[in-house]
Amino acid sequence: KAGVTQTPRYLIKTRGQQVTLSCSPISGHRSVSWYQQTPGQGLQFLFEYFSETQRNKGNFPGRFSGRQFSNSRSEMNVSTLELGDSALYLCASSKLGGRDEQFFGPGTRLTVL
Amino acid sequence: EDQVTQSPEALRLQEGESSSLNCSYTVSGLRGLFWYRQDPGKGPEFLFTLYSAGEEKEKERLKATLTKKESFLHITAPKPEDSATYLCAVRPGIETSGSRLTFGEGTQLTVNP
Repeated sequence: KAGVTQTPRYLIKTRGQQVTLSCSPISGHRSVSWYQQTPGQGLQFLFEYFSETQRNKGNFPGRFSGRQFSNSRSEMNVSTLELGDSALYLCASSKLGGRDEQFFGPGTRLTVL
Repeated sequence: EDQVTQSPEALRLQEGESSSLNCSYTVSGLRGLFWYRQDPGKGPEFLFTLYSAGEEKEKERLKATLTKKESFLHITAPKPEDSATYLCAVRPGIETSGSRLTFGEGTQLTVNP
């Protein structure tokens, strides 16, 4: 059974640019969550999508946005990049959310110069 | 506000030397306490979910236990390949929180041969 996949694996951008990251969940999983991981803040929840609707949102500025498609694939977008946005962005999927286990992808390493 | 505190921050063991990692939490209800293992540059790998106080789960050399305020990850006779960062996370019991997980900072485990 294929796991969660994320593309691209690595990105280098400059301040002010925007970036789009992609996530394909495990087949049959309808919930996709995004997290940001940095050395100083650890893993922080960005948002969750379920059946193409944002179900939950973390404490991040509006520059961070996302969407989910009918096949459960998800994208997140960061506009007007700042140096502090450099991080490992992780996508996780679960069947329905709730009490389900959540499985993570390998992440996208974003570097902002 | 949900909080997860892991201790110690780092732990160095000799091969075969058993020990325990601690995860203390405060959460509005609990719909699951999760343990993950993360290797450098990779996404977290799911290990266990615990749902209620008194519950225990085992996998190879790892055993996770849960009380009303904390969880322990016991590592019996560890091997060098057990070296990784171990992350603890909680999912609050509020239904509107969806799949959101709140993570601790992790314990970096090194097992020397």
